[in-house]
Amino acid sequence: DSGVTQTPKHLITATGQRVTLRCSPRSGDLSVYWYQQSLDQGLQFLIQYYNGEERAKGNILERFSAQQFPDLHSELNLSSLELGDSALYFCASSLRPESTDTQYFGPGTRLTVL
Amino acid sequence: AQSVSQHNHHVILSEAASLELGCNYSYGGTVNLFWYVQYPGQHLQLLLKYFSGDPLVKGIKGFEAEFIKSKFSFNLRKPSVQWSDTAEYFCAVNAMNYGGATNKLIFGTGTLLAVQP
Repeated sequence: DSGVTQTPKHLITATGQRVTLRCSPRSGDLSVYWYQQSLDQGLQFLIQYYNGEERAKGNILERFSAQQFPDLHSELNLSSLELGDSALYFCASSLRPESTDTQYFGPGTRLTVL
Repeated sequence: AQSVSQHNHHVILSEAASLELGCNYSYGGTVNLFWYVQYPGQHLQLLLKYFSGDPLVKGIKGFEAEFIKSKFSFNLRKPSVQWSDTAEYFCAVNAMNYGGATNKLIFGTGTLLAVQP
């Protein structure tokens, strides 16, 4: 158990819908990351937050947005869902945002879009 | 742009065999290197990491990796695998940045290791 929690574990929804994935970082960690793992794209970095501010953006679609709240939990919002958005979404956290900080991953949310 | 290549997509070994998984990265600057493991149905766990210093890094569960700068490689090794090592292994890299800007991990495509008892 890494200490990073993600809810829900599984989510099944239809195309065109909107969902919210939630992540709570390890106690004391200030930086949160979102990754998408799909069969065709592999594991891809989406976005990084540090203390409520966006720090880095990866291949995140415009239909996706995220935020980190004052209590440091983070939410990833996915809207106008398409079949291709079906994937495992991982959250990770680290103490600080630096490149030398180890990221600890949560168990993931498996999203299925039908 | 940084990229990571893992050449072995599927590896099947018998217990007690030795393991070496290849990882090459492309980036001209200083990098931090990682190996993560994902056991079936579980989250990614850090096996080992290299930031600087001794290029031979020891990790958990008897794994080690060697950073060879001239070859842009960071291969993972284990002298004797066990059935419980069956998992997917990911090599990852991020660019060393001073001033603490970002910590974006670029992952390889993963190597699925199956160890037969």
